[in-house]
This record gives sequence, structure tokens and C-alpha cells, in this order.
Amino acid sequence: AQSVTQLGSHVSVSEGALVLLRCNYSSSVPPYLFWYVQYPNQGLQLLLKYTSAATLVKGINGFEAEFKKSETSFHLTKPSAHMSDAAEYFCAVSLPSGGYNKLIFGAGTRLAVHP
Amino acid sequence: DTGVSQDPRHKITKRGQNVTFRCDPISEHNRLYWYRQTLGQGPEFLTYFQNEAQLEKSRLLSDRFSAERPKGSFSTLEIQRTEQGDSAMYLCASSLKDSRLAGNTGELFFGEGSRLTVL
Repeated sequence: AQSVTQLGSHVSVSEGALVLLRCNYSSSVPPYLFWYVQYPNQGLQLLLKYTSAATLVKGINGFEAEFKKSETSFHLTKPSAHMSDAAEYFCAVSLPSGGYNKLIFGAGTRLAVHP
Repeated sequence: DTGVSQDPRHKITKRGQNVTFRCDPISEHNRLYWYRQTLGQGPEFLTYFQNEAQLEKSRLLSDRFSAERPKGSFSTLEIQRTEQGDSAMYLCASSLKDSRLAGNTGELFFGEGSRLTVL
């Protein structure tokens, strides 16, 4: 069973539009949740993380995500897209069944931003 | 630069050859991870070390793959008798496990990866 599912392998938005990237997880106990971004030819960089504190998490570059236990979701949003946001975004979970010892990644969502 | 470094960045080899990748983590980090990423997929966990001890290895990992971290600093990932299906980006990451916490709630810091092409 997939521990983390990202809906939509490709998302395209206009510059200035809302960005919404979806992530759902599978765990009976809330996991720790992360969003990473990967720019071309670069390593993965942490955008934000949820580790059982505030359910609305703010990250770098104006991104934020809200942990919703009832929906088992951790969707990533940004109010206004910028051309520089074009990249691949990965949702990841760290599961209690694994002792929170490693991250399991989703398949990723490639974000395109057009003028 | 004090980030995670990987070497080589690119490796092209013929099927059946052995290859070795090296990872130098952030110096104070006691945990080191190896992941594999293929086109259109997210990183797939391979193995991780805490200091020099290999604590977990993916059940999907072939016996042709072996990783070491002999002195708890840098790590090597060796692939023996490479196959075309081994072509991928091999990512290394490191983190600092706080002994006061159960598990690792911190972020992983990734290197830029080593791209393997098996012809």
C-alpha cells in the first residue's frame, strides 16, 4: 500500500495564480510530513515540515501546508505563483511504524508556471 | 561548501561492470541515507546508517548492492554486475538524530546525486 500519494503528476498555473499541490498519506497514527522541492540539476531542498505542532505550517518562498487528520491530507499551497516556482515537488512521510527513522516519498508533482 | 557532497556526479558503465559511489555527509550529522530516483518517480529508500552501523536496508534491494560507512563519516555504495535497470540517480542524504527524541523528526539534507547510466 502506498504510504503517500500525490494527486497529479503535472500541474500548470499562470503566474500570479494560486498553487495547490495535493498530498494524502496512509497511516492510522499521524505521521511526520514533509514537502521537498527539486529544481533542475539540484538536490532536494526542504520547503516545510509538520511534526505534530501547529497544523498550519509555513515554509520558505511563501509556501504553506495544512495538516488535516480527518482528510489524511497535507496539501501544499502558495497564494501567488512566481516563474521561479517551476520545479518538481515531493511530499514525504516519516511513519511511526518505522520508528520515524526514514522518509518515504511520493511520486512527485511537476509544477509549470506560465506567463 | 559544507553540504552533502557526492562523487562522481555522472557515471556511464557497461552492463556487468561494478561501480562505486561516494557520499560525504555534513560533518556533524550522524545519520546517512541512500536513496534511488528514477525518471518520473520520487526517491526510493535504499538503506541508512547511524554512525557506522547500517540500521536498515530495503527488502527490495538486490544483493548486488552493498553500502558501507566504515568510520561513521563518508559512505560508499557499490553496485556489482550492473544491469540496465540499475540506471538511476543515486541520492545521498544526512541528518542529525537527537538522542532525546524517538526516531528522527528532522529534515534530511540531500546531495545533488550521482547519475548512473548502464549501457
